[in-house]
Amino acid sequence: AQSVTQPDIHITVSEGASLELRCNYSYGATPYLFWYVQSPGQGLQLLLKYFSGDTLVQGIKGFEAEFKRSQSSFNLRKPSVHWSDAAEYFCAVANSGTYKYIFGTGTRLKVLA
Amino acid sequence: DTAVSQTPKYLVTQMGNDKSIKCEQNLGHDTMYWYKQDSKKFLKIMFSYNNKELIINETVPNRFSPKSPDKAHLNLHINSLELGDSAVYFCASSRGDGEAFFGQGTRLTVV
Repeated sequence: AQSVTQPDIHITVSEGASLELRCNYSYGATPYLFWYVQSPGQGLQLLLKYFSGDTLVQGIKGFEAEFKRSQSSFNLRKPSVHWSDAAEYFCAVANSGTYKYIFGTGTRLKVLA
Repeated sequence: DTAVSQTPKYLVTQMGNDKSIKCEQNLGHDTMYWYKQDSKKFLKIMFSYNNKELIINETVPNRFSPKSPDKAHLNLHINSLELGDSAVYFCASSRGDGEAFFGQGTRLTVV
């Protein structure tokens, strides 16, 4: 069965520090992978996506993610975190036919000034 | 101009009532979805429509009934509301390339 695991429920970093949010997936074929961000009281905004090709994907707001097939991972990174990055981050995998998204449980990011 | 809009944003109602949440997208997408986010922030798909046709129907109580009058609209009707239905419901749409655009959510509170 398809699944997404985000091992870290909460992460706290200082402003200006680097960030890595982990995501592992279980999927039979090559997955479509996504990272979404949800600010408090808001909907979800797409940060970046991976379908095929270059395994290092650049997204909005200075985020990037790397697809590692051997590790079934799609970790999100940012070299220098800003206070406005504090939010909930969701990794998702989608079926290429129906685009049924399966989300991880999310990682809440807190940024210290 | 809002891409995916849901109304209402907040909905407080008593157990046993029937309520509807409306969703409209102006992106020209063929596929629309309803997701439920529980109190622990877990997001789970409920339904998906493609060109007004139901293509995904997860294990959702029959009290929940989606209706798509046209491909720009996907409404969610809930009968006999229960306390456990309290959640944030998100509508989303996709053009078929995998990227979904989400609405702002409807926070439903059943008292």
